[in-house]
Amino acid sequence: NAGVTQTPKFQVLKTGQSMTLQCAQDMNHEYMSWYRQDPGMGLRLIHYSVGAGITDQGEVPNGYNVSRSTTEDFPLRLLSAAPSQTSVYFCASSDRGTNYGYTFGSGTRLTVV
Amino acid sequence: DAKTTQPNSMESNEEEPVHLPCNHSTISGTDYIHWYRQLPSQGPEYVIHGLTSNVNNRMASLAIAEDRKSSTLILHRATLRDAAVYYCIRTNTGNQFYFGTGTSLTVIP
Repeated sequence: NAGVTQTPKFQVLKTGQSMTLQCAQDMNHEYMSWYRQDPGMGLRLIHYSVGAGITDQGEVPNGYNVSRSTTEDFPLRLLSAAPSQTSVYFCASSDRGTNYGYTFGSGTRLTVV
Repeated sequence: DAKTTQPNSMESNEEEPVHLPCNHSTISGTDYIHWYRQLPSQGPEYVIHGLTSNVNNRMASLAIAEDRKSSTLILHRATLRDAAVYYCIRTNTGNQFYFGTGTSLTVIP
């Protein structure tokens, strides 16, 4: 049981480049989320999904796109990378509802130069 | 808006109990209280959650005030591995968790 798998673990991008951060879970969880964490700060919600085909925006969605074509995968796309998007990105999944905890991935450390 | 208030930092001696407070004075009747912790260079880890009653699991206990405006995470015997940032989160949807800056716990050997 792998849990939540994020790839890559590290990435350096040039300003203006695009890329996709991958997130996959094997627990058949309905809920999935993407967060970013900047130095010395808590996590901020970017986008979330409550099931395949359903996504919505969180606190800081600008500059990011998501889609959820399967229950297992929830990729995060950076459309045109900016230095302000330098951060550590975490993906998480949970079974349906408030009465369940989230399982987090180990993160992707992204640097935009 | 995290809607919870926690102290920025706390210290505890190893093998002593630790009480981490959280204020959520504007909580609604359907909001759950969740606690997560984040060890250095790792993703957050689920610790415990509850609605109204006190809760216990192998990691910790959660004491929720009768008026639900505050809660306390209790680590019964702190170890060096418990040194982490602890986040208190309230949610009524299960799909939108808003983290604040949490409490950084230092465990002193």
